[in-house]
Amino acid sequence: QVQLVQSGAEVKKPGSSVKVSCKASGGTFSNYAISWVRQAPGQGLEWMGGIIPIFGTAHYAQKLQGRVTITADESTSTAYMELSSLGSEDTAIYYCARGKRGLDYWGQGTLVTVSS
Amino acid sequence: EIVMTQSPATLSVSPGERVTLSCRASQSVSSNLAWYQQKPGQAPRLLIYDADTRATGVPARFSGSGSGTEFTLTISSLQSEDFAAYYCQRYNNWPPLFTFGPGTKVDIK
Repeated sequence: QVQLVQSGAEVKKPGSSVKVSCKASGGTFSNYAISWVRQAPGQGLEWMGGIIPIFGTAHYAQKLQGRVTITADESTSTAYMELSSLGSEDTAIYYCARGKRGLDYWGQGTLVTVSS
Repeated sequence: EIVMTQSPATLSVSPGERVTLSCRASQSVSSNLAWYQQKPGQAPRLLIYDADTRATGVPARFSGSGSGTEFTLTISSLQSEDFAAYYCQRYNNWPPLFTFGPGTKVDIK
């Protein structure tokens, strides 16, 4: 059974960066696309970007280009999402999810709070 | 950039009713469309991919249809556990890009 386990909640200052991890187990990590999706309080889902570990190249939503970096470590089956220049609008639950034709496995979510 | 829209934003329904949710793409996405269900405090759950294929374990009362720019998710007889938000999402084969619609909330009438 595929499981995605994310790192814990974070509280960050405006202007700082956050890095969230997503460790996969129970499947072949390298061949599957991992996406990052966020959800601000009371809002909808926003796809941020994704990576296929075996290829190593990440693709990003246009809106977040330049602020988000997604990487993957095949040796530990872990994907990472780093978001820089944080503002209050980045307060959200951040999910990792696996899949190419639809996201079929999801992490539990990581709450990132941006507050001074 | 492809923009996804959904209608209605909110739908008030009684248990047992048939529900039809709409999703529209600003340009053709072929059949590269998925539907998700999300309940409060939970991660989204994949219901449908490739516009009309049910994901593993999804009850038969959920069905998807459409292609190009117009898509529909139908719940044939709404159960109490189906009250939730529903999102459509288009995906690209390469590069792997995704775009979500704004969602439709289905609540109890």
